[in-house]
Amino acid sequence: GENVEQHPSTLSVQEGDSAVIKCTYSDSASNYFPWYKQELGKGPQLIIDIRSNVGEKKDQRIAVTLNKTAKHFSLHITETQPEDSAVYFCAAFRSGGYQKVTFGTGTKLQVIP
Amino acid sequence: ETGVTQTPRHLVMGMTNKKSLKCEQHLGHNAMYWYKQSAKKPLELMFVYSLEERVENNSVPSRFSPECPNSSHLFLHLHTLQPEDSALYLCASSQERGAYEQYFGPGTRLTVT
Repeated sequence: GENVEQHPSTLSVQEGDSAVIKCTYSDSASNYFPWYKQELGKGPQLIIDIRSNVGEKKDQRIAVTLNKTAKHFSLHITETQPEDSAVYFCAAFRSGGYQKVTFGTGTKLQVIP
Repeated sequence: ETGVTQTPRHLVMGMTNKKSLKCEQHLGHNAMYWYKQSAKKPLELMFVYSLEERVENNSVPSRFSPECPNSSHLFLHLHTLQPEDSALYLCASSQERGAYEQYFGPGTRLTVT
């Protein structure tokens, strides 16, 4: 089955710096890669996603890159702010006869003011 | 808010109790999901419902019993649970079963004593 590895498990950055979180997947049939942000006491919230036919996507301060050949994708947050502090999850989806999803183990991001 | 609500938010139950978790989505979606979130482990997809029909059951023990009376409501009935079942149980919904974008509820924090 699919295996998604996420690194690092914890990340501390100074406010204003950039943060990068990386995920690798094993199933070449995976074709959709979302990133979720989970704040304390809340469920995961989709913040950005990318499909397998796209290499990069950007939305204001966040961006996601995908390397299908290497089977890895990354989340980039620029000009970090304290409110970016949360746990971030990546996931790999495979559609087809039935939907298959595998999540990463999460990265706890702390933005230090 | 994401449009997905869950009750109760916290639940403590003994191993011989029977309880139910409730999820309601106000988004007009046709697919609903139950996930289990344990510390330091990836989110695990438990059940998938599409138009009130269960379409996936990912090897979940029978002590967890889902019910979907209509496309807006999803229940997870619990009985004779084990301490290792303590976790955050998340409900999610999407437009269709194959739709990638999922909206999560805030979860129910379950503690089995």
